[in-house]
This record gives sequence, C-alpha cells and structure tokens, in this order.
Amino acid sequence: ELKVEQNPLFLSMQEGKNYTIYCNYSTTSDRLYWYRQDPGKSLESLFVLLSNGAVKQEGRLMASLDTKARLSTLHITAAVHDLSATYFCAVDHSGGGADGLTFGKGTHLIIQP
Amino acid sequence: DSGVTQTPKHLITATGQRVTLRCSPRSGDLSVYWYQQSLDQGLQFLIQYYNGEERAKGNILERFSAQQFPDLHSELNLSSLELGDSALYFCASSVEGQGADTQYFGPGTRLTVL
Repeated sequence: ELKVEQNPLFLSMQEGKNYTIYCNYSTTSDRLYWYRQDPGKSLESLFVLLSNGAVKQEGRLMASLDTKARLSTLHITAAVHDLSATYFCAVDHSGGGADGLTFGKGTHLIIQP
Repeated sequence: DSGVTQTPKHLITATGQRVTLRCSPRSGDLSVYWYQQSLDQGLQFLIQYYNGEERAKGNILERFSAQQFPDLHSELNLSSLELGDSALYFCASSVEGQGADTQYFGPGTRLTVL
C-alpha cells in the first residue's frame, strides 16, 4: 500500500523567513504533485514533478524530487502572508495517472506578519 | 477557476437516504476522478473513469457507485447514507494523454448527513 507522509503537519512562521516542507512516499513513483488548498476551497495545482532531480519554481515556492530517496521538498523563500494555506503532496501509482492520487495529510501553513 | 464544475455545492440529507453528485470535466479532458475529503480520513481517491469506462478503484464503499456518460460528465451515487459519509466530495479531471497529467479539481460538494 502506497503511503505518503508529510512533515511538518502544522507550521507557523513569520513573514520573510524561509522554510521547507518534506514529503516522503513508500513505493517507486516518478510523478509527484503539489497542491494548495485555501480554507473551504478546492485544490489548486502548484507543481508536477516528473523525474528524478526535477526542480520547479514559481514565485516564492520551489519544489524538487529525489526518486531514489522517495522524497520531495517544497521550499518557501521569504514567506508572505498570502502563502498561508494547506499544502498537499500526492503521488500516483503509475506514470499515466491511471490509479488516482494518494495524498499526504497536508501541511497547514500559517504565515504571520 | 479550474474549469471543472460540480453540483450541488451543498447537500444536507438524512441517514439512509440516497444522493447523486454531478461533475462536468474541463473541456477536452477524458478522465474523471472522484475524491472524498474528511477530517478523519484526509483526501482519499474513490474511483476513476476514462472516456466512459471505469479505469481504477480506490477506497470506494460498496454503497457508492459512479458512472461517466457519453458527454463525459460523471455522477457519483451515494446510498444508504451514514453519518460518517459527511465529507467534501471533489471531482477532478485530466486529459489522460502523453506527458504530465495534472488533475484539475472542481469546487467540491459538501455533503452533510444528519
């Protein structure tokens, strides 16, 4: 059974600081997804990481994937209040996304002024 | 706005009842996925359809069923509802073609079983 573990599950940080969210998964997969969810809202796709060593950046967020370590990271640089949300990583069982995604429990991020 | 639509937004019903949730995928997407989000279980994959055919099953209860119609919209049927079925139900869609296959999520249907 595929397991996806995120840590930390809760993070409170100050604006301007840097931090990293970690996502470990238990079986081989070449595809790793990061989503953002605001309270009461849907999931917004942030990154799709397709291969070992993949790195993607959008604004203050940067995601990377190490398939050998079965580890992905989401790094936040110089955090701002608007990045407060819950961040999920997810893994699919096959390259074609044919089995649905297995999600981590999410990291609830609060960024305080 | 992801382009995936779901109706209704909210649904309140009683135990033992049956409800139907509806999803229209993004234009051009052939695959539809259903997920359940609850405080207890987190986000769980229920079932996937591709171009009208069931492709994969996740943690879907026998009381739940789904189908995808020729116009590619999908319905999730939940029957003999229990209190524990109260959750946010998301539909997602994807192209299901070559390369990256991002799943785009709809706004969700919040189901409350009383």
